Amino acid sequence: QKEVEQNSGPLSVPEGAIASLNCTYSDRGSQSFFWYRQYSGKSPELIMSIYSNGDKEDGRFTAQLNKASQYVSLLIRDSQPSDSATYLCAVRKGNDYKLSFGAGTTVTVRA
Amino acid sequence: DADVTQTPRNRITKTGKRIMLECSQTKGHDRMYWYRQDPGLGLRLIYYSFDVKDINKGEISDGYSVSRQAQAKFSLSLESAIPNQTALYFCATSRRGDTQYFGPGTRLTVL
Repeated sequence: QKEVEQNSGPLSVPEGAIASLNCTYSDRGSQSFFWYRQYSGKSPELIMSIYSNGDKEDGRFTAQLNKASQYVSLLIRDSQPSDSATYLCAVRKGNDYKLSFGAGTTVTVRA
Repeated sequence: DADVTQTPRNRITKTGKRIMLECSQTKGHDRMYWYRQDPGLGLRLIYYSFDVKDINKGEISDGYSVSRQAQAKFSLSLESAIPNQTALYFCATSRRGDTQYFGPGTRLTVL
């Protein structure tokens, strides 16, 4: 079982719609959760971090965490063509542990 | 100036050659990491270092070695490059308890 699993996609959404990305993780001791965005050929950049159960909103992005079910999700509202990228979910057990990354979900926003 | 820099940005080499990838950072972070990224496999950790005297193997360290020359510099070496080491390589840095910040990447091709 992979530590962090994501649907690879591609996820195609029309411009203005909501894109919903899911991520599950295997280690119940995981404490920190991150979403990175990566454009083709570029480096990952952090867009959201979440540490507690519930929702966290930042602009058009909302991260949702459910530790009991071991999943974290990312919603992108009012999707724009510039949101077309691969989104990486990353999980960390504690401050002295490494990040574990999912393989990423590719999102395409069509005009 | 970029906070995390990698050199070279692109490299083509031949099987059996020794090659070094370099990473420098001006963020003042004590932790540094080397990842490789392959299509469909996501980011995989090669080595990580929590400080100058602390270096640890990651998931896929075979065929690689590292050197932490200073807090700001972390180099990755391929002693005898082979074609399946063709990949995109990323350096990342962090503080304890913080997320990771990635360099721009090095695209390595081994013929």
